[in-house]
Amino acid sequence: GAVVSQHPSRVICKSGTSVKIECRSLDFQATTMFWYRQFPKQSLMLMATSNEGSKATYEQGVEKDKFLINHASLTLSTLTVTSAHPEDSSFYICSPRSIDTQYFGPGTRLTVL
Amino acid sequence: GNSVTQMEGPVTLSEEAFLTINCTYTATGYPSLFWYVQYPGEGLQLLLKATKADDKGSNKGFEATYRKETTSFHLEKGSVQVSDSAVYFCALSSVNSGYSTLTFGKGTMLLVSP
Repeated sequence: GAVVSQHPSRVICKSGTSVKIECRSLDFQATTMFWYRQFPKQSLMLMATSNEGSKATYEQGVEKDKFLINHASLTLSTLTVTSAHPEDSSFYICSPRSIDTQYFGPGTRLTVL
Repeated sequence: GNSVTQMEGPVTLSEEAFLTINCTYTATGYPSLFWYVQYPGEGLQLLLKATKADDKGSNKGFEATYRKETTSFHLEKGSVQVSDSAVYFCALSSVNSGYSTLTFGKGTMLLVSP
């Protein structure tokens, strides 16, 4: 099956710092990338959707200046959490889509102290 | 808006027991329905899907039938194995602003003991 990698898998940072999460589709090209956030015992919540080379479309309530998404190529997308705060601590999951199949990365656990 | 409700876990079963994980949904139009599985340390994987009413999705011994009249898509397996221990997510797809997006339930953890 398709392989999706996320890096890092876990990150702990201090409040006020920025964290970049990379998502790579290793054996296919992702025309669309979804980024989700999952809080404990909650469902995956869609944060934003992006197409390669275009600006991301953010869901209501998600700050675009805080969660910067770059989808510069068909195999790489990044999510940068800027000026992170403890309430940003969560599990972030990327989900690249190729044609009509959506795949999921293993997720990144972010803890902001 | 769209929503998916699934039973809370964890569901704890002995090997070879019968499994049911309930899932109901609220949606406009005619969504496609999915079950995803997440094994420890891995990303979500599509387990099965159904695209229209009365369709039955099946894979690896798991089955779910799209019931429009009860807005349900319950997951079943006749005999679970220890290797089935994972978190199961029910989801529906809808078109929003030109994109097909997924709405997930909260997930149900299944623990199967030998």
